[in-house]
Amino acid sequence: ELKVEQNPLFLSMQEGKNYTIYCNYSTTSDRLYWYRQDPGKSLESLFVLLSNGAVKQEGRLMASLDTKARLSTLHITAAVHDLSATYFCAVDMFLYGNKLVFGAGTILRVKS
Amino acid sequence: DVKVTQSSRYLVKRTGEKVFLECVQDMDHENMFWYRQDPGLGLRLIYFSYDVKMKEKGDIPEGYSVSREKKERFSLILESASTNQTSMYLCASSFLGSGSVGDTQYFGPGTRLTVL
Repeated sequence: ELKVEQNPLFLSMQEGKNYTIYCNYSTTSDRLYWYRQDPGKSLESLFVLLSNGAVKQEGRLMASLDTKARLSTLHITAAVHDLSATYFCAVDMFLYGNKLVFGAGTILRVKS
Repeated sequence: DVKVTQSSRYLVKRTGEKVFLECVQDMDHENMFWYRQDPGLGLRLIYFSYDVKMKEKGDIPEGYSVSREKKERFSLILESASTNQTSMYLCASSFLGSGSVGDTQYFGPGTRLTVL
């Protein structure tokens, strides 16, 4: 059974600081997704990582994938308040018709 | 833009009632999914479908059934609602196995169901 673990589950940080959210998973997969969810809203796709060593960047967020370590990271650079949200990673069990297994989510609060 | 819509944003039902949650997507996606989201547990897959009239159980199918009569529509049915089914329900859709670009799932706005 595929397990996906995110840490930390809650992150409170000051504006301007850097931090990293980690996503570990328990079995082989080379496709990983990051989503953002604002309070009361649905999930919005942030990044799709499709191979070992993949790195994607959008603004102050950068995601990477190490399939050998079964680890993805979401790095936040110089955080701003607008980044406050819940971030989910999800691993694709490709053999089962694009079935995703989600981590529990990381609640990020950026304080002014 | 991909659009996934759900029939209700908020729903209140009584224990034992039959509940229908509807999801419609407009991008001709083959795959459709139903999840429930509970605090601290992330999203858990209830059922998914990769074609009309096809369905597969997810991780937590007990107490739920689904129907997919048309490609664009995927319904989640709670045959006899119970209080432990109070949750946020999210529908999603995606293309089937494009490989090179991934198969991003696009989510609807969610239905917050309360069972009293």
